[in-house]
Amino acid sequence: QSVLTQPPSVSGAPGQRVTMSCTGSSSNIGAGFDVHWYQLLPGTAPKVLISGNINRPSGVPDRFSGSRSGTSASLAITGLQAEDEADYYCQCFDSSLSGYVFGTGTKVTVL
Amino acid sequence: QVQVVQSGSELKKPGASVKISCKASGYTFERWVMNWVRLAPGQGLEWMGWINTNTGEPTYAPGFTGRFVFSMDTSVSTAYLQISSLKAEDTAVYYCARDSESGNDYFDYWGQGTLVTVSS
Repeated sequence: QSVLTQPPSVSGAPGQRVTMSCTGSSSNIGAGFDVHWYQLLPGTAPKVLISGNINRPSGVPDRFSGSRSGTSASLAITGLQAEDEADYYCQCFDSSLSGYVFGTGTKVTVL
Repeated sequence: QVQVVQSGSELKKPGASVKISCKASGYTFERWVMNWVRLAPGQGLEWMGWINTNTGEPTYAPGFTGRFVFSMDTSVSTAYLQISSLKAEDTAVYYCARDSESGNDYFDYWGQGTLVTVSS
């Protein structure tokens, strides 16, 4: 089972702002390891949205932003668009597992 | 440009084995670790482990020991995932994903995924 907990779903109308959390522990996020976020559209490979907590790779719209505090991190989407309807996962390194872990995933629905 | 291309879908019977390939191009294969990630139906992404493409040493996540084997062939810049004694619950999309160039412990290039269906 995942050691990073995310809300199963969030929803919003087009143009609204939505956020999703990623709650970890002292062996991963709380230990200072970077948090990364991926978008998973049906039938496609995961795409990096945020790396190193706050960094957007080239080509990722600035509507996506990341933050972290303590043992948690968050992904925000501002100006929600229909194309943002997807599953989102956080990911981090975990020192107790000596490996990577993904969050439980959050499904974003655009109303 | 960097590309990671996986082999095609597989349909296998319970108890059989499957070997998925992951061919990298556009960079020096041995420089960055290759990871394997599973996405089972109705489930989330699971990190299965990685293979050190410099030494060939595999590392397996808990739950992916025994029936899962990572290997590679540097002469063709290809990593492999073999699953033996297949079970219905192994039905999933399997991705390979490269460790990032920045060394920040994330995956910057992904294969397109390989669907493995286990059914009698």
